[in-house]
Amino acid sequence: DTEVTQTPKHLVMGMTNKKSLKCEQHMGHRAMYWYKQKAKKPPELMFVYSYEKLSINESVPSRFSPECPNSSLLNLHLHALQPEDSALYLCASSRTITGGTGELFFGEGSRLTVL
Amino acid sequence: AQSVTQLGSHVSVSEGALVLLRCNYSSSVPPYLFWYVQYPNQGLQLLLKYTTGATLVKGINGFEAEFKKSETSFHLTKPSAHMSDAAEYFCAVSKDPNSGNEKLTFGTGTRLTIIP
Repeated sequence: DTEVTQTPKHLVMGMTNKKSLKCEQHMGHRAMYWYKQKAKKPPELMFVYSYEKLSINESVPSRFSPECPNSSLLNLHLHALQPEDSALYLCASSRTITGGTGELFFGEGSRLTVL
Repeated sequence: AQSVTQLGSHVSVSEGALVLLRCNYSSSVPPYLFWYVQYPNQGLQLLLKYTTGATLVKGINGFEAEFKKSETSFHLTKPSAHMSDAAEYFCAVSKDPNSGNEKLTFGTGTRLTIIP
């Protein structure tokens, strides 16, 4: 069983909807990540939070808005998405963002379909 | 910039045969290297990692990989394939190992199919 929990597992939304993806970990990790994965492609980094502060934004469009309410939770707010945003969204965590070994713990993902 | 190249987007082996998945890296500094596995409709799971020290690393499910600096390679092997090994395998390199930055760069993946 994964120690990073993502909800919902599946989400279908229209282009005018507002929805959120949620991620939770209880491993005491202080770095959390959002990745986007299109079919048959590797994961692409979107955002990194370190100690609840946004550390990296990989030039992601503003229709994706991350939020880290506390060290265990990570949200991704979605608004006015496009059909090409349909993908598997993966949350991950790691012990720290610096001084670590690069090992990430992934959730099972939220599969998003934008109509 | 660091990168990894996975040779072969699809690999098929017979059950019980040797599994060999190839990964070559490009890095101007000593890299941290990883193999992750992704089963259908699931997230990624770490198989094994190389940071420093012993160049032959053993991972879960009987997999191992050898870091060869002279060949800039980190190939993944398993002596005997099992049906449950069918999955997508990603090689990855840490983007900034000097700072321990956890930004990973993934290869394009290799889909492993096991033939009964």
